[in-house]
Amino acid sequence: AQSVSQHNHHVILSEAASLELGCNYSYGGTVNLFWYVQYPGQHLQLLLKYFSGDPLVKGIKGFEAEFIKSKFSFNLRKPSVQWSDTAEYFCAVKPPLNRKLIWGLGTSLAVNP
Amino acid sequence: GAVVSQHPSWVICKSGTSVKIECRSLDFQATTMFWYRQFPKQSLMLMATSNEGSKATYEQGVEKDKFLINHASLTLSTLTVTSAHPEDSSFYICSAMGLAAYNEQFFGPGTRLTVL
Repeated sequence: AQSVSQHNHHVILSEAASLELGCNYSYGGTVNLFWYVQYPGQHLQLLLKYFSGDPLVKGIKGFEAEFIKSKFSFNLRKPSVQWSDTAEYFCAVKPPLNRKLIWGLGTSLAVNP
Repeated sequence: GAVVSQHPSWVICKSGTSVKIECRSLDFQATTMFWYRQFPKQSLMLMATSNEGSKATYEQGVEKDKFLINHASLTLSTLTVTSAHPEDSSFYICSAMGLAAYNEQFFGPGTRLTVL
């Protein structure tokens, strides 16, 4: 079935540690890829997106993601996390010819100071 | 740009009453709006897709008579939860998408509904 998988459901890190959150999807063709963040008590914010071009995408707050087409992956990375990065992170995919977003289940990140 | 607002931000109502939630695109024309429901610590669940001037398309398992969606203009969509019950308590989020190719969805801040 068509889906978006986020491998890590809960991640706990210390400040300054590096972060990588996995996201895989099962759609063929040209997809649009997104990472959203939801800070505690706040609404969804777009971290970064990939539509085409350079597969290494830089987003806000020091986040980046790499689109690897052969692996159907769009992993989110940050070299050094901060306590303020504690949040829920969602990967989403817009399949070809479809205006809907397909969502991963999300990853809860807790960063200990 | 690309701001989406929702009103109200939170609402508490009695069981059996109906509640209307508005979603507005403030600085662009939204040909498509989406309504999501989010349970605590969970992902977004798409409830329905609404296109301006036409009937909403509901996802499987979502009762269209329970969750009435109207997308009467290019900047406004409304979700009415009819005869609300405690199990309808949730966080409702709308998003909006414009006409251009490679568009992304812009999200509203959400509405917290509590049914007593």
